[in-house]
Amino acid sequence: DTAVSQTPKYLVTQMGNDKSIKCEQNLGHDTMYWYKQDSKKFLKIMFSYNNKELIINETVPNRFSPKSPDKAHLNLHINSLELGDSAVYFCASSQVVKGEQYFGPGTRLTVT
Amino acid sequence: GNSVTQMEGPVTLSEEAFLTINCTYTATGYPSLFWYVQYPGEGLQLLLKATKADDKGSNKGFEATYRKETTSFHLEKGSVQVSDSAVYFCALSGTDSSYKLIFGSGTRLLVRP
Repeated sequence: DTAVSQTPKYLVTQMGNDKSIKCEQNLGHDTMYWYKQDSKKFLKIMFSYNNKELIINETVPNRFSPKSPDKAHLNLHINSLELGDSAVYFCASSQVVKGEQYFGPGTRLTVT
Repeated sequence: GNSVTQMEGPVTLSEEAFLTINCTYTATGYPSLFWYVQYPGEGLQLLLKATKADDKGSNKGFEATYRKETTSFHLEKGSVQVSDSAVYFCALSGTDSSYKLIFGSGTRLLVRP
C-alpha cells in the first residue's frame, strides 16, 4: 500500500555515467515533483509535472531530464554524472497543483 | 522572492520538555504554510498546515499558528518524546501559478530520555 515509491533506494556510480531514478505513485494524483536534498539537508525543487506536462523547471543543468510516461510515473534521468550530483533525490505527488505533497522515501545517489 | 527562514539546530531537549522551533517567511500574496517532518532514513511527511492568517494547524500534539503580522509559523509541542527526534522543515507554497513548495533549511531535534 505504498503511496509514493522510488527505485532504487541507493545508487552508487562513477563520474561520467548515465543513470535513472524511477518514481511511481498510486494515489491517483495529477501532479508529481522531483526535489534534491543536499548534504546539509537543504531541499530544493527541480521539476514538476501536471498531467504529464512540465510546469516547473528550476535552474537545473540540462544533464537532468525528467520523463513522465503517464500521470502515475515521473522518472529522472541524469547524464554525465558529476561529483556534485551526489545527494538524496525525493519524488513527491499532490492531487492538484495547489495540494499538499506526499513524498517518497528518497534515493541516495553517490557519485565517485 | 519567496523564502523561509528557520532557526538553526540541532535543538536538544529532555523528554517532556516544551518545544519551539521558529519559522519566519517572506512572500508576496498569501501563501499556505506547512511543517514537514523527516525521520532518519525516511522521506518527508506532512505534519501540519495552515492556509490563511490566524489558522492553527495541529497534529500529534504539535501546533503552529499562521501569524501574518509577524510573518511567522512557529512549531510548538508541550511535551516532546524521544520518538519526536527528527528533522523538521517549515515550508510555504508558492503564490504564483506553480504553487511550488519552498523549504526552510530544516531544524534537527534530538530528544534525550
